[in-house]
Amino acid sequence: SQQGEEDPQALSIQEGENATMNCSYKTSINNLQWYRQNSGRGLVHLILIRSNEREKHSGRLRVTLDTSKKSSSLLITASRAADTASYFCATDLYNQGGKLIFGQGTELSVKP
Amino acid sequence: DAGVIQSPRHEVTEMGQEVTLRCKPISGHNSLFWYRQTMMRGLELLIYFNNNVPIDDSGMPEDRFSAKMPNASFSTLKIQPSEPRDSAVYFCASSYYTGVKYEQYFGPGTRLTVT
Repeated sequence: SQQGEEDPQALSIQEGENATMNCSYKTSINNLQWYRQNSGRGLVHLILIRSNEREKHSGRLRVTLDTSKKSSSLLITASRAADTASYFCATDLYNQGGKLIFGQGTELSVKP
Repeated sequence: DAGVIQSPRHEVTEMGQEVTLRCKPISGHNSLFWYRQTMMRGLELLIYFNNNVPIDDSGMPEDRFSAKMPNASFSTLKIQPSEPRDSAVYFCASSYYTGVKYEQYFGPGTRLTVT
């Protein structure tokens, strides 16, 4: 099964609401990253959180990491229609030469 | 910087034909990754290189797939012979891996259709 598994698979909200996506993984990690993919495009890096960090912010994004539960969450505050995309978590395992394991993604739809 | 460049952007070919996908990573990056994305299987890592050397090709589906990186600015993914089940979007990504933290930069992808 996937190292990173996102939950929910799909999320539909109204503009202005907050969106929360979760990611669970199985083995110890070096860091965890979140990426965004707009339809028909490549993935774009959003934020990275190290294994010794618990929370990180970037603009309207907030990421938390709980290594004891092997889980992470991505919160997008005050969502906009332009946030509509798929969001993927990716885990960087130790001594893997930069290899990332991507989850299946959460498809977010923000309705105006 | 132009970002990661992939060509062609779209490829339609018949079963049995050879397909070659190309990637130019971001200048200065030392790691390159090839992924395949389908609705059924999601995003799969096929192979990755560090400093032009293949590190892990365990994701390559079968011997019909091969990848090369002759120098730091160019890589190819070849499928020979192609089959309809190879239809997918193929992404190339590059990064500057320091062992501490880094991010991957993805190209726009090549949409491959094998009929």
